[in-house]
Amino acid sequence: AQSVAQPEDQVNVAEGNPLTVKCTYSVSGNPYLFWYVQYPNRGLQFLLKYITGDNLVKGSYGFEAEFNKSQTSFHLKKPSALVSDSALYFCAVRALSGGYQKVTFGTGTKLQVIP
Amino acid sequence: KAGVTQTPRYLIKTRGQQVTLSCSPISGHRSVSWYQQTPGQGLQFLFEYFSETQRNKGNFPGRFSGRQFSNSRSEMNVSTLELGDSALYLCASSLVDQSSYEQYFGPGTRLTVT
Repeated sequence: AQSVAQPEDQVNVAEGNPLTVKCTYSVSGNPYLFWYVQYPNRGLQFLLKYITGDNLVKGSYGFEAEFNKSQTSFHLKKPSALVSDSALYFCAVRALSGGYQKVTFGTGTKLQVIP
Repeated sequence: KAGVTQTPRYLIKTRGQQVTLSCSPISGHRSVSWYQQTPGQGLQFLFEYFSETQRNKGNFPGRFSGRQFSNSRSEMNVSTLELGDSALYLCASSLVDQSSYEQYFGPGTRLTVT
C-alpha cells in the first residue's frame, strides 16, 4: 500500500527566513509527486509537481521542491518566507497500486510565518 | 477557463437520509476524483472516474457511490447518512495524461448531518 508522511503538524518560521515542509512517501512503482496549498476558507490549489526529469522542480509563488529517490522524499522549500504563505500544505503521491493509478495525500502541515 | 464547480455548497441533512452532490470539472478534463476532508482524518480518497468508468476506489463503505456522465460531470451519493459523514466533500478534476496528473479542486460541499 502506498503512503505519504508529513511528519510535522505545524512549522513556524520567521518572515524572510527560508522554509522547509517535509514529505516522505512509500510506493511500489515510480511516483508522481505533488504539493498543494489550502488557504483559510479557500480551496486546495496546485503548487508544483514532479513527474520526471530534474529533481528540483519550481512552482507557483516562489516555491520549489526536491525529489530525492534514495530518501523517498519530496520536501517543499522557499528561500524567503512571506506572511501570506501561512496556510495548510499537503503533499500527495500518485502511483500504480493494484493495477490503478491511485492518489494518496499526506495529513497536511500547517505553515505559520511570523512577522 | 472556468474552474471546478460543486453544488450545493452547503447541505444540512438528518441521519438516515441520502444526499447527492454534484461536480462539474474544468472543460476538457475527463477525470474526476472525490475526497472527504475532516479535521480528524484529513483528506481521504473516495473514488476516481475517467470516461464514465470508476477507475479507483478508496476504503469507504458501499453507502458512498458515484457516477460520471458523458460530459464528464460527476455526482456522488451517500445513502443512509450517519453523523460521521459530516465533512467537506471535495471534487477534483484533471487531464490525466503523462505530462499532467495535477488535480484542480472545487470549493467543496460542506455536509452537516444532524
